[in-house]
Amino acid sequence: GAVVSQHPSRVICKSGTSVKIECRSLDFQATTMFWYRQFPKQSLMLMATSNEGSKATYEQGVEKDKFLINHASLTLSTLTVTSAHPEDSSFYICSARKTSRAGELFFGEGSRLTVL
Amino acid sequence: AQKVTQAQTEISVVEKEDVTLDCVYETRDTTYYLFWYKQPPSGELVFLIRRNSFDEQNEISGRYSWNFQKSTSSFNFTITASQVVDSAVYFCALLTGANSKLTFGKGITLSVRP
Repeated sequence: GAVVSQHPSRVICKSGTSVKIECRSLDFQATTMFWYRQFPKQSLMLMATSNEGSKATYEQGVEKDKFLINHASLTLSTLTVTSAHPEDSSFYICSARKTSRAGELFFGEGSRLTVL
Repeated sequence: AQKVTQAQTEISVVEKEDVTLDCVYETRDTTYYLFWYKQPPSGELVFLIRRNSFDEQNEISGRYSWNFQKSTSSFNFTITASQVVDSAVYFCALLTGANSKLTFGKGITLSVRP
């Protein structure tokens, strides 16, 4: 099966710092990756869709300058939370779409961000 | 617009009971996919099933079974003889469109007591 890896799985940072989360498709190429955010005891909300080599498409209400997404290669997308604040503390999950087949989405393990 | 409704928020059962988790979806697309995921306390999403809109066949996998009814826009999930390890949050999700956007329901917290 396809594997998507996220790193780091947990990160604690001070308020005002920036944090980068990586999402890698380990055994397939992913032209499209998705970033979700999940608050405690809530559902997953799509933040943005990133396509390799182009700018990410953000969902309404998601700050582009706050959550920088880069999809520089077919196997790597990164989410950078800039100038993080406690309200950015959340569980961030990425998913990657296998290039050729619709409906084939694979999720990473998630990254738990805590901003002090 | 796409929407997934999981009306049940929390379910508590005793081990060995059967439990059905409901999922109702809305979409105008004729081609779509439905998913169920399990999210244990550790947080990762565990893929359980994917069903496309053209395949209404019910599916059974061990203690798990799914009932897909297009007439009622439902995709219900039944766990037979539940076990403590089944305790988790279960999400139903709908994928539509060429861009593969996945819409999640709010999730159902299942607690299985020994």
